Amino acid sequence: NAGVTQTPKFRILKIGQSMTLQCTQDMNHNYMYWYRQDPGMGLKLIYYSVGAGITDKGEVPNGYNVSRSTTEDFPLRLELAAPSQTSVYFCASRESTQETQYFGPGTRLLVL
Amino acid sequence: GQSLEQPSEVTAVEGAIVQINCTYQTSGFYGLSWYQQHDGGAPTFLSYNALDGLEETGRFSSFLSRSDSYGYLLLQELQMKDSASYFCAVRGKASGGSYIPTFGRGTSLIVHP
Repeated sequence: NAGVTQTPKFRILKIGQSMTLQCTQDMNHNYMYWYRQDPGMGLKLIYYSVGAGITDKGEVPNGYNVSRSTTEDFPLRLELAAPSQTSVYFCASRESTQETQYFGPGTRLLVL
Repeated sequence: GQSLEQPSEVTAVEGAIVQINCTYQTSGFYGLSWYQQHDGGAPTFLSYNALDGLEETGRFSSFLSRSDSYGYLLLQELQMKDSASYFCAVRGKASGGSYIPTFGRGTSLIVHP
């Protein structure tokens, strides 16, 4: 199993550009999460999904959108990039009956 | 909403024991988890407590007291490779009724030779 994979590893965006951060898991987990982590801070939940076709907002959803058309994929969309979105983005998944979250390697995003 | 408090930094020497505390406030509670994150890496799961008491996994143990809204992570026989950030996390009830995870700001553990 590859676990949770994320692409790209690193990206530089200009203000106002858009992009999609990809996240895929091969563990057949129902629950998937998107977090952002700013330097010296904990993880802030952006969006989450409890299964294909179901998504909901987390703590800091503004400026982001998600979709969950399959169990495996949970892409995060930034429509109009802003410098405040400079961060490291982690995707995670977990089985519905377990607490363990499995994290991807992260995407480092710089918005200039 | 949910909030968690943990110390920002802890230092210790190799071979020692260190305890990282976490206090939380949450509406609804679905357990306290601990994660380890090395610089630039992905967080990895260490332990989970749903009920009061101590859970032991090798050199790491985690404790929970629900009445005190308090838990700790205990690391024994410290090794240099334990230098990392440690996050406590709770799953608490969000306004929409789902239980969503909230992470603390993390404790940076520095292990000296």
